[in-house]
Amino acid sequence: KNEVEQSPQNLTAQEGEFITINCSYSVGISALHWLQQHPGGGIVSLFMLSSGKKKHGRLIATINIQEKHSSLHITASHPRDSAVYICAVSTGAGSYQLTFGKGTKLSVIP
Amino acid sequence: NAGVTQTPKFQVLKTGQSMTLQCAQDMNHEYMSWYRQDPGMGLRLIHYSVGAGITDQGEVPNGYNVSRSTTEDFPLRLLSAAPSQTSVYFCASSLTAPYNEQFFGPGTRLTVL
Repeated sequence: KNEVEQSPQNLTAQEGEFITINCSYSVGISALHWLQQHPGGGIVSLFMLSSGKKKHGRLIATINIQEKHSSLHITASHPRDSAVYICAVSTGAGSYQLTFGKGTKLSVIP
Repeated sequence: NAGVTQTPKFQVLKTGQSMTLQCAQDMNHEYMSWYRQDPGMGLRLIHYSVGAGITDQGEVPNGYNVSRSTTEDFPLRLLSAAPSQTSVYFCASSLTAPYNEQFFGPGTRLTVL
């Protein structure tokens, strides 16, 4: 079973700061997902990646397959970025299960 | 497109009662899954389906049943509710497998007294 660890568990930042959330996993994967969950809200997919780097607006996701590690960066953070960010991995061909990290709770203060 | 819909949004049950949580998607996705989300824990897979007529167990299947008679619908049945099943339940779908982009429903908050 893949173990997924996220750090930090909680993060408080001032508006405008650059933010990094980390995700490490124990077994090789076919894909890694970054998800966002606002308080009391549903879950939305931010990125799905299997190699390299993806960018969407102020969000950047990177993955290092050899080191089994991914990072989610938020540039010029804003209070509306306050949410829980969740990392999830799909282990590989023949596996139909996602394994989730416990999430990182981000609070951005004006 | 409505995406992934779930009903009800909130439900209170008494211990021993049964109920069905509904999940539907209109994106013609083959892969559908049910998760529960508990404080301090990551989302955990209950059951999943890779297509109509095909279901399998996830990490925490005990006390739950599923069926997939159509591509669109994937209901989750609680056979005899227990307080340990108090949780928030999410349904999700993707094109064919977990390595595709995931689409989540809005969730159902279930309390078992």
